Amino acid sequence: AQKITQTQPGMFVQEKEAVTLDCTYDTSDPSYGLFWYKQPSSGEMIFLIYQGSYDQQNATEGRYSLNFQKARKSANLVISASQLGDSAMYFCAMRAFFGNEKLTFGTGTRLTIIP
Amino acid sequence: GAGVSQTPSNKVTEKGKYVELRCDPISGHTALYWYRQSLGQGPEFLIYFQGTGAADDSGLPNDRFFAVRPEGSVSTLKIQRTERGDSAVYLCASSPSGGGNQPQHFGDGTRLSIL
Repeated sequence: AQKITQTQPGMFVQEKEAVTLDCTYDTSDPSYGLFWYKQPSSGEMIFLIYQGSYDQQNATEGRYSLNFQKARKSANLVISASQLGDSAMYFCAMRAFFGNEKLTFGTGTRLTIIP
Repeated sequence: GAGVSQTPSNKVTEKGKYVELRCDPISGHTALYWYRQSLGQGPEFLIYFQGTGAADDSGLPNDRFFAVRPEGSVSTLKIQRTERGDSAVYLCASSPSGGGNQPQHFGDGTRLSIL
């Protein structure tokens, strides 16, 4: 079984500051992928970034980076230079590489960017 | 557009009625997923299709829920004898072939309300 824990229900951050959203996970699968999604108030789930369990380097996509610490089972999302449009729910999710296609999601963190 | 399309965007019906929710995946994507998102929660897996076949239906909550994908593209999620607890946003996602590091791309969802 897989479990994702997001301990920050809500965060307020000043515009242009960096923000870290926490995610810890638990799994017995030897190979797995970690994903972050953004869900604005309009409802769509937008894929942001992916990290594979065997990737040697932390993933980066523009202003998004993933601070992956395998031994600690954490996969925190870092957003640099936050913008008003970053205000949304953010979900961490994981999936085993083999034998299981489903994504397991955390409960999410609501990020609010303050002008 | 080229994204995952879900119809209707909203559905309101009375308890006990039958509903069908439709998902049109990204063209060429063989893997299709249904999730359910209750208020304040992350999405929860319902069923996964690879082509026309349901490869994993372990997330369907009971036998009132059924899904089909007869031609390997459009999928329909069917709910019989709806209950108030079925009220949620139903999300559909697709990926090119499933597995590995492929992110799942989501539609905007269908908000189902059972009165």
